[in-house]
Amino acid sequence: AQSVTQLGSHVSVSEGALVLLRCNYSSSVPPYLFWYVQYPNQGLQLLLKYTSAATLVKGINGFEAEFKKSETSFHLTKPSAHMSDAAEYFCAVKGDTGRRALTFGSGTRLQVQP
Amino acid sequence: EPEVTQTPSHQVTQMGQEVILRCVPISNHLYFYWYRQILGQKVEFLVSFYNNEISEKSEIFDDQFSVERPDGSNFTLKIRSTKLEDSAMYFCASSERQGGNEQFFGPGTRLTVL
Repeated sequence: AQSVTQLGSHVSVSEGALVLLRCNYSSSVPPYLFWYVQYPNQGLQLLLKYTSAATLVKGINGFEAEFKKSETSFHLTKPSAHMSDAAEYFCAVKGDTGRRALTFGSGTRLQVQP
Repeated sequence: EPEVTQTPSHQVTQMGQEVILRCVPISNHLYFYWYRQILGQKVEFLVSFYNNEISEKSEIFDDQFSVERPDGSNFTLKIRSTKLEDSAMYFCASSERQGGNEQFFGPGTRLTVL
């Protein structure tokens, strides 16, 4: 079975500060991992994905994530937060062989303070 | 840029009524999905569809749910007899093929059951 845990349902940072959103996964096979962002009243937009190539993945809007197998983690970071980064962020895993379904974490709401 | 579209954006219905949620996946995609997000909760997988049949479904996807691809462009989710607990945001997604390719999500339909 596959699962995702996102630590911290709410994260607040100051504009210009480092953003760190945590994601730990569980999968019985090497996983594919994704970060999606959801702006208010909008759908889910893919930020970045890990598909067993480079462990450090760069995405849109200056975000990146590092796959660490030993820690079963895929934390999302951005060096300098911008007001427009305020949104809900979801980590998702596609792991089990033959399954196409994504399993999502419970989400982290990022607030950016001026 | 191609995108997944969904209609309507908001649907209000009475308990016990049937609803049909509509989606137009990206045109060259082969796999189609429905997910739902109850307010304040995580995004949950409902069903995936490939080659005109269901390829995978979750425990949530019981007999009151059905999916159909009535023509070459639309993909629908039908809920036969809605319950209060069906109130949620329903997301359609599509992907090119299995493996690591990401799923592209539509903006969602907010279903309110009264």
